[in-house]
Amino acid sequence: KAGVTQTPRYLIKTRGQQVTLSCSPISGHRSVSWYQQTPGQGLQFLFEYFSETQRNKGNFPGRFSGRQFSNSRSEMNVSTLELGDSALYLCASSPREGNTEAFFGQGTRLTVV
Amino acid sequence: AQSVAQPEDQVNVAEGNPLTVKCTYSVSGNPYLFWYVQYPNRGLQFLLKYITGDNLVKGSYGFEAEFNKSQTSFHLKKPSALVSDSALYFCAVTLVGGYNKLIFGAGTRLAVHP
Repeated sequence: KAGVTQTPRYLIKTRGQQVTLSCSPISGHRSVSWYQQTPGQGLQFLFEYFSETQRNKGNFPGRFSGRQFSNSRSEMNVSTLELGDSALYLCASSPREGNTEAFFGQGTRLTVV
Repeated sequence: AQSVAQPEDQVNVAEGNPLTVKCTYSVSGNPYLFWYVQYPNRGLQFLLKYITGDNLVKGSYGFEAEFNKSQTSFHLKKPSALVSDSALYFCAVTLVGGYNKLIFGAGTRLAVHP
């Protein structure tokens, strides 16, 4: 089975712009979660989707949003980028509805200049 | 608030020696506990999980973890470390009713020296 695929792998954006990141989960996985990883804050949960419904949302401003499509692929969007949004964004898919292991993609490295 | 603590930023061990990476948690209710490993420029890889049952859980690459409810700990162990085990290790928890939301510790860098 193919693993979790995230595109693009690297992005450089300017402050004020917006960005969309994409995640294709493992085939058959309906749960998709997003995390932000930074040296200062570590790994922080952004949101989780299951069957196109957002079930959980982390403590991030409204500039961060996401969605999931009927084929379980997910996107996250960050509007009005700030320098502090520079991070590794990780997507994970899980085989069951809850409390199960997550399989992570390699991440998208976003740099805001 | 629910939290996971990894008290050591870095653990150094000689190749062939046993290793322990510590993790404690503070949650309400019964936790589901996980260990993940991250190699440079890579995403996280699942190592093992504790849901219920035996307190000693065996996982990938020879790793195991011991769940201790009274000490609220879930330490990662390996009997004989390899240089290739050098990486960043994360302890995490999900909660009943929390679906697949992972709450991570800050991570511990493991350095195995030849």
